[in-house]
Amino acid sequence: SQKIEQNSEALNIQEGKTATLTCNYTNYSPAYLQWYRQDPGRGPVFLLLIRENEKEKRKERLKVTFDTTLKQSLFHITASQPADSATYLCALASGGGNKLTFGTGTQLKVEL
Amino acid sequence: DVKVTQSSRYLVKRTGEKVFLECVQDMDHENMFWYRQDPGLGLRLIYFSYDVKMKEKGDIPEGYSVSREKKERFSLILESASTNQTSMYLCASSAPVELTDTQYFGPGTRLTVL
Repeated sequence: SQKIEQNSEALNIQEGKTATLTCNYTNYSPAYLQWYRQDPGRGPVFLLLIRENEKEKRKERLKVTFDTTLKQSLFHITASQPADSATYLCALASGGGNKLTFGTGTQLKVEL
Repeated sequence: DVKVTQSSRYLVKRTGEKVFLECVQDMDHENMFWYRQDPGLGLRLIYFSYDVKMKEKGDIPEGYSVSREKKERFSLILESASTNQTSMYLCASSAPVELTDTQYFGPGTRLTVL
């Protein structure tokens, strides 16, 4: 069956360091992969999309890589700030019909 | 900017009550979705709709129904609320024309069933 895995343990890093979050998937052949940010008690917010033919995508301090051979995406936040503290979800299209399946998310805490 | 609104941020109901959760989007999106989110389980799809009066079951439809009479509005109905339906409910919308399935979420409704 299709599965998306994100590290369920929170990631704690110091301000200014680069945070790297991992999304692994099995039994998918996605045309693209998306990353969302979710703050406590709020709905997820779309951040970035990367297509299968793109190795890397950047947006300001964010960078996403996509390795379809390893079936893995890495999400990097450079020069991290306390305001980056949130849960980050990856999502893949599933079953057609514009549906997405979301990973359970990884909580990032950036400390001063 | 896409705006998705949900009728309540917090809701407390009693077991057996009929509960209506409403979602409205202002970007003329064809697709609308209802999820519930629980710790450790992530977002789980309850129902989705491709168009007015169209609906399809998601992964966990039991105990829920939906209604979409107008394009901008998608309602989730708990026919007889139970304590195991205590959860965060999230509505989302997307536009097929974007070809990327990017979803825009509302702020969520925290439902507690006593």
